[in-house]
Amino acid sequence: GAVVSQHPSRVICKSGTSVKIECRSLDFQATTMFWYRQFPKQSLMLMATSNEGSKATYEQGVEKDKFLINHASLTLSTLTVTSAHPEDSSFYICSATTGTGPYEQYFGPGTRLTVT
Amino acid sequence: GESVGLHLPTLSVQEGDNSIINCAYSNSASDYFIWYKQESGKGPQFIIDIRSNMDKRQGQRVTVLLNKTVKHLSLQIAATQPGDSAVYFCAENIGGYSTLTFGKGTMLLVSP
Repeated sequence: GAVVSQHPSRVICKSGTSVKIECRSLDFQATTMFWYRQFPKQSLMLMATSNEGSKATYEQGVEKDKFLINHASLTLSTLTVTSAHPEDSSFYICSATTGTGPYEQYFGPGTRLTVT
Repeated sequence: GESVGLHLPTLSVQEGDNSIINCAYSNSASDYFIWYKQESGKGPQFIIDIRSNMDKRQGQRVTVLLNKTVKHLSLQIAATQPGDSAVYFCAENIGGYSTLTFGKGTMLLVSP
């Protein structure tokens, strides 16, 4: 149980284009989903927290107009990187929680974004 | 060890040895801690967790120790295997909120 999937697993896009990453909870309803970014040899950095049906809460320094998050259902959240630039190239990971204790987060397999 | 720049601290062990990975956390209000294992190109995988009202918890081949006095967490892996090679992260959670704060990570390399 508690499986989270991400699609696509890898994506290459040209600078200036937008790319959408999907995060799905396959066998549970996720009241809250999280989006992280991870650069090589570094830790996970929380970008934003999204609750189903409400606006995402972004961490300091994360541009909400650049990283659009939609959490339209209890099993799906999407992250859209708009007007991507090479510095947006990173490993993007989502996680989901049911919101009940002990607040364990179930992580997706990640999406490798390369902007050329 | 401490993370310097982009270099992850690395622990190299022989297969069969016991491994100890350390983590210092910053917030004395943190009351729930998790250890994650991350293999290259994959998402973090839950290993074991511990609440702040405990100082030790054991799983299969793994033990987590919590020292709240010095805000220190450790993960002990018994009889380390090559498949244990990965980056290990500790994460802390502050009472009632669902966000996690991740530590810098330690790379464990197990040689046969």
